Amino acid sequence: AQSVTQLDSQVPVFEEAPVELRCNYSSSVSVYLFWYVQYPNQGLQLLLKYLSGSTLVKGINGFEAEFNKSQTSFHLRKPSVHISDTAEYFCAVGSSSNTGKLIFGQGTTLQVKP
Amino acid sequence: SQTIHQWPATLVQPVGSPLSLECTVEGTSNPNLYWYRQAAGRGLQLLFYSVGIGQISSEVPQNLSASRPQDRQFILSSKKLLLSDSGFYLCAWRGGQAATEAFFGQGTRLTVV
Repeated sequence: AQSVTQLDSQVPVFEEAPVELRCNYSSSVSVYLFWYVQYPNQGLQLLLKYLSGSTLVKGINGFEAEFNKSQTSFHLRKPSVHISDTAEYFCAVGSSSNTGKLIFGQGTTLQVKP
Repeated sequence: SQTIHQWPATLVQPVGSPLSLECTVEGTSNPNLYWYRQAAGRGLQLLFYSVGIGQISSEVPQNLSASRPQDRQFILSSKKLLLSDSGFYLCAWRGGQAATEAFFGQGTRLTVV
């Protein structure tokens, strides 16, 4: 079975500061890894994904994530955050199976303060 | 391009009333379809998924059911709502076996009173 743990439920940070949102996963098979962002009362938007190859993945809005197989982690980073980055962020794990289920973490609320 | 429609956006229903939430996908065929529920502070919980018409898999036992009467239509239902059914419901789709990420609708905020 697959599972995802997001280690921080809330992360407060000042504008223009760097941020890291942590994600650890568990899986017995090769995985795909994703980060999604959710703004209030909206659906989820894909930020970035890791399928294979380079362990450093760049996404939209200046975000990037690094896949670390030995530590089973996929942490999300941004060097300088903006007020508009305030949202909830979800890490998810999936596989290439036909069902294509994505298993999500509990979410991390990023609060960017002026 | 592919789009996903989910309605209604908000819904307030009394305890014991029925529920029907609908999701449709455009611009693709034979998608995998999913219903997730998001309760406050509890992340996204996969409720049902479907890999084809009439094929429904339930992930957790609950008061809800799902149906897929057409290739690109996915319906979430309940005969009698409970207070614990309140939450934000999200429909999602994913392409065939070679696909990777899922794409989400805008969600339905259900409040059971």
